[in-house]
Amino acid sequence: DGGITQSPKYLFRKEGQNVTLSCEQNLNHDAMYWYRQDPGQGLRLIYYSQIVNDFQKGDIAEGYSVSREKKESFPLTVTSAQKNPTAFYLCASSIVVVGKGSYEQYFGPGTRLTVT
Amino acid sequence: AQSVSQHNHHVILSEAASLELGCNYSYGGTVNLFWYVQYPGQHLQLLLKYFSGDPLVKGIKGFEAEFIKSKFSFNLRKPSVQWSDTAEYFCAVNQGGKLIFGQGTELSVKP
Repeated sequence: DGGITQSPKYLFRKEGQNVTLSCEQNLNHDAMYWYRQDPGQGLRLIYYSQIVNDFQKGDIAEGYSVSREKKESFPLTVTSAQKNPTAFYLCASSIVVVGKGSYEQYFGPGTRLTVT
Repeated sequence: AQSVSQHNHHVILSEAASLELGCNYSYGGTVNLFWYVQYPGQHLQLLLKYFSGDPLVKGIKGFEAEFIKSKFSFNLRKPSVQWSDTAEYFCAVNQGGKLIFGQGTELSVKP
């Protein structure tokens, strides 16, 4: 059963702690993405990676870090430097065609992070 | 940089009413356009997409969208909505391997 898994579904942390959100895909997609979804703001891109061992900052990368050591995995760390970390985090993946960019993205179920 | 604007933040309709959700993007040239839907408690999923060819694109569940290049628009339409269409709808444009999303439109359909 192909798809994207994100775990856990809900995550609670104390302020000042780093937390890592998991994202795994078995679709054999080259590209993976992390978004943050806040009410009325749509999806904002945090980081993305088009190949293993390479990633780029999105529009709101401050306070976040990622790694891409394996094609299937793209974990996101929310650091204590992120000023407003409470949000719904979505992971996505897509195929990449050289010269045409990425095609449609497939999304995971999301992780709702609450920091108090 | 590319930006996407969805004009309606919240739309309320009765069942059987017609739907049109606006989407405009800012940057011309070759674009790939998408509409995604997020039903309550479910994954974000693709409704339809436009890459090239016929500017009238048909998607799942009776939705369609029309790409009008001169207006930088990609509006979503459905002739007759159902209660089950209650969801949040996102328009997106592909730019350099990334998707740029609009703010989303929440659709509530009254039975």
